[in-house]
Amino acid sequence: KAGVTQTPRYLIKTRGQQVTLSCSPISGHRSVSWYQQTPGQGLQFLFEYFSETQRNKGNFPGRFSGRQFSNSRSEMNVSTLELGDSALYLCASSSGRHYEQYFGPGTRLTVT
Amino acid sequence: AQSVTQLDSQVPVFEEAPVELRCNYSSSVSVYLFWYVQYPNQGLQLLLKYLSGSTLVKGINGFEAEFNKSQTSFHLRKPSVHISDTAEYFCAVSAAGTSYDKVIFGPGTSLSVIP
Repeated sequence: KAGVTQTPRYLIKTRGQQVTLSCSPISGHRSVSWYQQTPGQGLQFLFEYFSETQRNKGNFPGRFSGRQFSNSRSEMNVSTLELGDSALYLCASSSGRHYEQYFGPGTRLTVT
Repeated sequence: AQSVTQLDSQVPVFEEAPVELRCNYSSSVSVYLFWYVQYPNQGLQLLLKYLSGSTLVKGINGFEAEFNKSQTSFHLRKPSVHISDTAEYFCAVSAAGTSYDKVIFGPGTSLSVIP
């Protein structure tokens, strides 16, 4: 099976812009979770989608949003970018069984 | 709610020496426990998991972990490390049961293997 893919791998944006990141889960996986990873805060949970519905949400401002399509692919959007949004954004897919997650390589976002 | 503590932020160890990475968790319900590894510029990869049954769990790359319910710990061990084990290691927990709960990750332990 192909693994989790994320596009793009690297992104540079300026403050105030918005960005959309994409994640394609492993075939057959219906759950997609998003995480933000920074040196200072570690791995923080953003949200999780299951069958096109947001099932869980972390403690991030409303500028961070996501959605999931009928083919389980997911997108994450960040509006009005701030310097502090610079991070590695990881996507993980799961079949839902025992919460075992499979991670993509991440998208490195740099906000200048 | 669950939480995870990894007391050691950095662990240096010589090649071929044994290593233990510590993980403690807090939860009011039964849990599932995981260890993930992250190599530089990559995503996380599952090393091993505890769901139920035997408290000693064996994973990939020669790693194993032991679930200790009384001490709420899930320490990761390897009897002899290699240079290629240099990476960031994350302990994670989620609530067991039929309803979904999010996975909570610890802050990570950076393992550096010294030649």
